Amino acid sequence: AQSVTQPDIHITVSEGASLELRCNYSYGATPYLFWYVQSPGQGLQLLLKYFSGDTLVQGIKGFEAEFKRSQSSFNLRKPSVHWSDAAEYFCAVVRGKLQFGAGTQVVVTP
Amino acid sequence: DVKVTQSSRYLVKRTGEKVFLECVQDMDHENMFWYRQDPGLGLRLIYFSYDVKMKEKGDIPEGYSVSREKKERFSLILESASTNQTSMYLCASSLTDRGNIQYFGAGTRLSVL
Repeated sequence: AQSVTQPDIHITVSEGASLELRCNYSYGATPYLFWYVQSPGQGLQLLLKYFSGDTLVQGIKGFEAEFKRSQSSFNLRKPSVHWSDAAEYFCAVVRGKLQFGAGTQVVVTP
Repeated sequence: DVKVTQSSRYLVKRTGEKVFLECVQDMDHENMFWYRQDPGLGLRLIYFSYDVKMKEKGDIPEGYSVSREKKERFSLILESASTNQTSMYLCASSLTDRGNIQYFGAGTRLSVL
């Protein structure tokens, strides 16, 4: 069964606009949650993580994510996108081992 | 900074060849992982290792084997490469602590012709 769902395969956003990437998980307990980013031709880099505590998590590169238990979601946001944010973004959950969503490709237009 | 190094960025091999993908990490991490990445499928775990000479199957181990003779090195072996193993392969490592934060190499793009 799919543990992590990223509903959007592809998102196009204008530079300077806000960005929100959706992530839903299916897991009984509160899992450990992650967002990774993969720039073209690169490996994955950790943006942020949630283990417990404050449900709004700050990460690198100006990203933040909010854990909502009632919605089983961990959406990633950035208020103002830069051209360098064009990349593929993966949500992941630890369920025994790390399980990844299928990814969301973000394209940034001028 | 954690450094996970994959020996090749690009590889082209023939069907039936034996292929070795090498990964080295310099942070004394206990755990190492091999994933393959395909469009629309995200990352899928092939094998992982939590100690030297130890290995565990991931979600898609068929057609692959691994070797971990030293703590810092984890090799992925395709005994007889097939065209359906054309993919991006990513290596990662982590400490055994809560959260299992994994650090990734840059990937090896393998084409099997």
